[in-house]
Amino acid sequence: SQQGEEDPQALSIQEGENATMNCSYKTSINNLQWYRQNSGRGLVHLILIRSNEREKHSGRLRVTLDTSKKSSSLLITASRAADTASYFCATHEGGATNKLIFGTGTLLAVQP
Amino acid sequence: GAGVSQSPSNKVTEKGKDVELRCDPISGHTALYWYRQSLGQGLEFLIYFQGNSAPDKSGLPSDRFSAERTGGSVSTLTIQRTQQEDSAVYLCASSPGQGYYSGNTIYFGEGSWLTVV
Repeated sequence: SQQGEEDPQALSIQEGENATMNCSYKTSINNLQWYRQNSGRGLVHLILIRSNEREKHSGRLRVTLDTSKKSSSLLITASRAADTASYFCATHEGGATNKLIFGTGTLLAVQP
Repeated sequence: GAGVSQSPSNKVTEKGKDVELRCDPISGHTALYWYRQSLGQGLEFLIYFQGNSAPDKSGLPSDRFSAERTGGSVSTLTIQRTQQEDSAVYLCASSPGQGYYSGNTIYFGEGSWLTVV
């Protein structure tokens, strides 16, 4: 079963706009990660936020985490056509395990 | 190599045949994962190896699926008597050590596209 659920499933924006994707999860977590996937190939790690952090930045990426609501958001500012990809959140399944479970993903299309 | 390597990149097989997919993780990584992704879908966890511990096979969809990891390195995912619903991208990933507490990220290969006709 999927631990995370992202919304929206698909998002289309114009270049220069901001894109916000949300992720909800079910069990307690130690950290939450966001990954990017181009054209159905391998995923690339973007950013990790720990359960004791509320916000984290990396370049044009901003991630927030609300453990009380079991949700996270990924914000991409000043989007570019090259940001077009699928974005997934991932969490470790409940308990002390290294098993990483991915959400259903958000397909982002940035129109030039 | 520097990254996770998977082979074959693409495989077309006839229904009922067996297939083997190979994964070479990053050298030194003790954790290895297999995921499956159907077209336009999210990643489905299949199996997880951690060092010499017994693998977590809880995601394998049926007994037609099995995986081995020899010498703590290379892994092979075997699908017996393939069915059309097995068509998907099979993604392998590896990570160093126990990532849960340290927050290790995992590194993916480019995947093996399997098409069952």
